[in-house]
Amino acid sequence: DVKVTQSSRYLVKRTGEKVFLECVQDMDHENMFWYRQDPGLGLRLIYFSYDVKMKEKGDIPEGYSVSREKKERFSLILESASTNQTSMYLCASQTFPNQPQHFGDGTRLSIL
Amino acid sequence: KNEVEQSPQNLTAQEGEFITINCSYSVGISALHWLQQHPGGGIVSLFMLSSGKKKHGRLIATINIQEKHSSLHITASHPRDSAVYICAVTNNDMRFGAGTRLTVKP
Repeated sequence: DVKVTQSSRYLVKRTGEKVFLECVQDMDHENMFWYRQDPGLGLRLIYFSYDVKMKEKGDIPEGYSVSREKKERFSLILESASTNQTSMYLCASQTFPNQPQHFGDGTRLSIL
Repeated sequence: KNEVEQSPQNLTAQEGEFITINCSYSVGISALHWLQQHPGGGIVSLFMLSSGKKKHGRLIATINIQEKHSSLHITASHPRDSAVYICAVTNNDMRFGAGTRLTVKP
């Protein structure tokens, strides 16, 4: 079974802090994704990556950046956290486009 | 208007009832996915389908490509089916519905 592991289930940070969310997958998947999930809005794509050192903006990249130095690890960075970034963050990996995505358990991030 | 619309947003049922959740989409797709998210947050894939019908245990998913509509049915519902059910469509990228929160009461 594919395992996608997110480093924290719950995280509380302060406004202005630099925040790192880590995601690791163990199935040698090419594609990795970061989403945020807010009530009534569903999952929205922040950034994705189809290869090491490659990154593409999703629908809502503002205020975020990503890093993919190794194939198995995809990091989401909040450069200067703001209260409107309080949300559930979900990481996913995928073998090829149009195949099912495998999700981590999510990180519930609160920015105070 | 969202590209993927689900209904209802919330659904409460008694144990044993037959449940239907609907999904309509407005874009061309290569496949449609039904996902389940339990209160802990993790999302699991239930079905991926591009035509017809699929069945897994008490879950049945159908899709009508011409009408751009899919349904997820749960037969003999149980409290452990309580979760958020999410419809998603793919055509290179994945687009998600807002989810249907299902509560099954004993």
